[in-house]
Amino acid sequence: KNQVEQSPQSLIILEGKNCTLQCNYTVSPFSNLRWYKQDTGRGPVSLTIMTFSENTKSNGRYTATLDADTKQSSLHITASQLSDSASYICVVSDRGSTLGRLYFGRGTQLTVWP
Amino acid sequence: EADIYQTPRYLVIGTGKKITLECSQTMGHDKMYWYQQDPGMELHLIHYSYGVNSTEKGDLSSESTVSRIRTEHFPLTLESARPSHTSQYLCASSPRDREVDTQYFGPGTRLTVL
Repeated sequence: KNQVEQSPQSLIILEGKNCTLQCNYTVSPFSNLRWYKQDTGRGPVSLTIMTFSENTKSNGRYTATLDADTKQSSLHITASQLSDSASYICVVSDRGSTLGRLYFGRGTQLTVWP
Repeated sequence: EADIYQTPRYLVIGTGKKITLECSQTMGHDKMYWYQQDPGMELHLIHYSYGVNSTEKGDLSSESTVSRIRTEHFPLTLESARPSHTSQYLCASSPRDREVDTQYFGPGTRLTVL
């Protein structure tokens, strides 16, 4: 069964600290993995997209890694800010259909305290 | 910031009412999607469209219907709302003809059916 599991479910950190969010998936075949940030009451916004051949990609203070062999990805946030408080969603796309079906994780709820 | 809009942002209605959730995008994207998301849960695809006059049901069964008469417009209709329809509805769009296409999400409509 194709699944995307994220951990931890929620995380609280102090402003300025770093953190790492995890994503494990069983989706096969694999096309690409995306990390989205979703602020409360808003739609998700894309942070990074990585294909099979990419093992790291950065977007400002966000750095995503991908290990396609172990089917794991992580999102590292550096020097966290209050505005980083949001849900971070891992999304995996397969190659099995013309739609390129997306499998969504439930997200990690990150709270940054001052 | 993506140019995709949803109205209304919040809607509280009584059981049995007919409602239409609006979604418009100004990016000229061919692909459009409707997702349903409950709090703390993953997004579920309920409808998608590859272009004008093209609509398909997604992975999650839904009593809603959609239409795609114009490229930029993808409304979702519930003929008779029920409390089980209470959820957040997210619209998204993406360009065609890309191997890895980023989906751009609207801000969502939070629907409450009493």
